[in-house]
Amino acid sequence: DVKVTQSSRYLVKRTGEKVFLECVQDMDHENMFWYRQDPGLGLRLIYFSYDVKMKEKGDIPEGYSVSREKKERFSLILESASTNQTSMYLCASRSGQVRGNYGYTFGSGTRLTVV
Amino acid sequence: AQTVTQSQPEMSVQEAETVTLSCTYDTSENNYYLFWYKQPPSRQMILVIRQEAYKQQNATENRFSVNFQKAAKSFSLKISDSQLGDTAMYFCAFMKHEGKGTYKYIFGTGTRLKVLA
Repeated sequence: DVKVTQSSRYLVKRTGEKVFLECVQDMDHENMFWYRQDPGLGLRLIYFSYDVKMKEKGDIPEGYSVSREKKERFSLILESASTNQTSMYLCASRSGQVRGNYGYTFGSGTRLTVV
Repeated sequence: AQTVTQSQPEMSVQEAETVTLSCTYDTSENNYYLFWYKQPPSRQMILVIRQEAYKQQNATENRFSVNFQKAAKSFSLKISDSQLGDTAMYFCAFMKHEGKGTYKYIFGTGTRLKVLA
């Protein structure tokens, strides 16, 4: 069974802390994504990566950075956490090579609370 | 810019009944893909069904089917014989290629569906 694993289901961090959210997939997918999910706003793309060492800004990259040193791992970094970054964070991956199959596989999400 | 609109924030349906979730989108593209995702209370989002815009035939996956109206830019999801396990947040999504192997993926704001026993 294919999997996208997010290291934490719940996190509580203090304002100003540096926060790392980890995502690992076991499907050998090239493409990986970080979204945040907020009520009434749906899913908004923070950053994505089409392959190892590559990264692209999504729609709301401010206050975030990412790292993709290995194909299976895509990390989201909050450089200095703020209360407006309290949210549900979803990681997703998809193959970059399967023609016609553009669906995502999602992780279970990380509920981050910044106090 | 592309937009995806789900006008029903919440819906409920009796078990075994049929329910339709609406989704409209705005695009000037001719080739694109549409998806419905389901996010149960356990939170892991899963792909329910997808539709290629160039296909006229509506996609079907067991009890889930879509009504794709390309001219009207409408992509509704019909769930037949609703089950308690269908209780979830449902997201409609639009995807188009942007060239050089990249693509744009846009989600709607979601419809929370509750199936009542």
